Amino acid sequence: AQSVTQPDIHITVSEGASLELRCNYSYGATPYLFWYVQSPGQGLQLLLKYFSGDTLVQGIKGFEAEFKRSQSSFNLRKPSVHWSDAAEYFCAVAAMEYGNKLVFGAGTILRVKS
Amino acid sequence: EAGVTQFPSHSVIEKGQTVTLRCDPISGHDNLYWYRRVMGKEIKFLLHFVKESKQDESGMPNNRFLAERTGGTYSTLKVQPAELEDSGVYFCASSRGSPGTGELFFGEGSRLTVL
Repeated sequence: AQSVTQPDIHITVSEGASLELRCNYSYGATPYLFWYVQSPGQGLQLLLKYFSGDTLVQGIKGFEAEFKRSQSSFNLRKPSVHWSDAAEYFCAVAAMEYGNKLVFGAGTILRVKS
Repeated sequence: EAGVTQFPSHSVIEKGQTVTLRCDPISGHDNLYWYRRVMGKEIKFLLHFVKESKQDESGMPNNRFLAERTGGTYSTLKVQPAELEDSGVYFCASSRGSPGTGELFFGEGSRLTVL
């Protein structure tokens, strides 16, 4: 069955430090890939998505993600974290053969220390 | 443009009672989705409407859950009777197209606590 794994439940980084959030998926073919963020009291907001083409995608708020087919990974990165980035981050996938439903990972909570 | 709105933001009920959650999608979005997140677990798909029709309800946990979208506008999700394991956050999302072609816009969620 298809699945999405975010191995880190919590991550703490210092403000200004770089960030990488991991995401691995298990699908037969290359699915559509997404990263969402949920800040306290907010709904889920789309950061970026990968459908095809260039494997390095740029998103909002200075985030980027790289699709690596050989590793079935879609890790999220940011070169310099700001205190306002503290939130919960969700990796998600969708595939046509599964009705294009979004399948989410369990989420990673990011804490930013000043 | 108004976003996806959900009501109530938080509901506390006792086991056996009934709760109805409401979602108002973004105007013009034919696709409406319900998702649920049980504490600490993944956000899981419940069902998908295209206009007023149920396109996919494979994620509905059991027949205590009833979703409707009369007229293809707002949607309701009723849980009757509620059980303890129904506690969680229920998210609604809407889009013009499917996830492969159109962005899903999520509401803030309705938190359900069953005591």
